[in-house]
Amino acid sequence: SAVISQKPSRDICQRGTSLTIQCQVDSQVTMMFWYRQQPGQSLTLIATANQGSEATYESGFVIDKFPISRPNLTFSTLTVSNMSPEDSSIYLCSVEAGTAFFGQGTRLTVV
Amino acid sequence: AQKITQTQPGMFVQEKEAVTLDCTYDTSDPSYGLFWYKQPSSGEMIFLIYQGSYDQQNATEGRYSLNFQKARKSANLVISASQLGDSAMYFCAMRGQAGTALIFGKGTTLSVSS
Repeated sequence: SAVISQKPSRDICQRGTSLTIQCQVDSQVTMMFWYRQQPGQSLTLIATANQGSEATYESGFVIDKFPISRPNLTFSTLTVSNMSPEDSSIYLCSVEAGTAFFGQGTRLTVV
Repeated sequence: AQKITQTQPGMFVQEKEAVTLDCTYDTSDPSYGLFWYKQPSSGEMIFLIYQGSYDQQNATEGRYSLNFQKARKSANLVISASQLGDSAMYFCAMRGQAGTALIFGKGTTLSVSS
């Protein structure tokens, strides 16, 4: 199993600003995944972060908007850049450690 | 391509009753995993149960069981003896080989009343 600490749990941000979300895992994992859940919707994969290489982004998501860092095997950050109200969502990080575990989520509201 | 379908937007059940949440999937991979998660209003994703494609027996975890019918490509979640705290959104998800990301269904909102 794995325990993931995700911060912040929620934030209200002004449009045009950026927010960095952190995920810390209590064990070393190869892959970390970042998902977005828009209001009333299901989870959509943003990108896969592998330590030591650039993240792999899904269609519709670009590095300039969602830069990801993965400096070691237990930590990753996702930045939501130049935010607009359409970025208001829950953002979740996930790892696989026997099964797929998730952080507590970051509920972002952009005003 | 892989796909998960949950056709029940909402389900209503009384306390102590059993409820089945439907999930069908589509994949051409011979090896895959099926998951169910509970998402309360707080937004966290709580892992409930996992079934591997080669597992012969249906998975069970306490009050949760997964009715896996491989030929029909269905992986329904059965919750026995519902409790008020079971009220939440439930997601069915699938992945291919281990270490790959999950794809999710649209979810089912379960409401348990007393």
